[in-house]
Amino acid sequence: EVQLLESGGSLVQPGGSLRLSCAASGFIFSSYAMSWVRQAPGKGLEWVSTISVSGRNTYYTDSVKGRFTISRDSSRNTLYLQMNSLRAEDTAVYYCAKVISASTTSPPFDYWGQGTLVTVSS
Amino acid sequence: AIQMTQSPSSLSASLGDRVTITCRASQDVGSDLGWYQQKPGKAPQLLIYDASTLQSGVPSRFSGSGSGTDFTLTISSLQPEDFATYFCLQDYSYPSLFGQGTKLEIK
Repeated sequence: EVQLLESGGSLVQPGGSLRLSCAASGFIFSSYAMSWVRQAPGKGLEWVSTISVSGRNTYYTDSVKGRFTISRDSSRNTLYLQMNSLRAEDTAVYYCAKVISASTTSPPFDYWGQGTLVTVSS
Repeated sequence: AIQMTQSPSSLSASLGDRVTITCRASQDVGSDLGWYQQKPGKAPQLLIYDASTLQSGVPSRFSGSGSGTDFTLTISSLQPEDFATYFCLQDYSYPSLFGQGTKLEIK
């Protein structure tokens, strides 16, 4: 059974940093691109970032470029999102998601974690 | 970035109704579009990908159609568990943008 378990969300002050983790199990983690998607309270879904199988190719939505860094550790079956210079508008539930096909870095996403809440506030 | 315009933003319907939700892309995305269902407090679930391919385990009352810029999600006969919010997502190119969502409510 595929499982994605996010952790690391918390309350942080504007300008602060946070690292989210997503522990994967039930599939060959090293064979699939992975992504982060967020959802602000009461709002829609927003794709944040994607990392390729090798980790060499990364993609970001414009609003987080230069502030967020996606990475992966296939020895630990874990996806990460390092978030720096956090802003109030980064407040959201952050989901990690698995790309459906082993041959692409693009959606769709066939499995999602339960999400972890990041609140940026003073 | 390819913009996705989803309509309607909300929809009231009754059990057994046939409903259609539309997503329009600002440029041609071929068949690179998926549909997701999200229930309150839960993660989204993939329903349809490649515009019309039903994800494993998804009931056959869900169907998708379209290509290029215009896409539809159809639920043939609404069941109680279908009342949720639905999103489209283009995967033709990054950045991947979701539609704004359609909240399907019970009439």
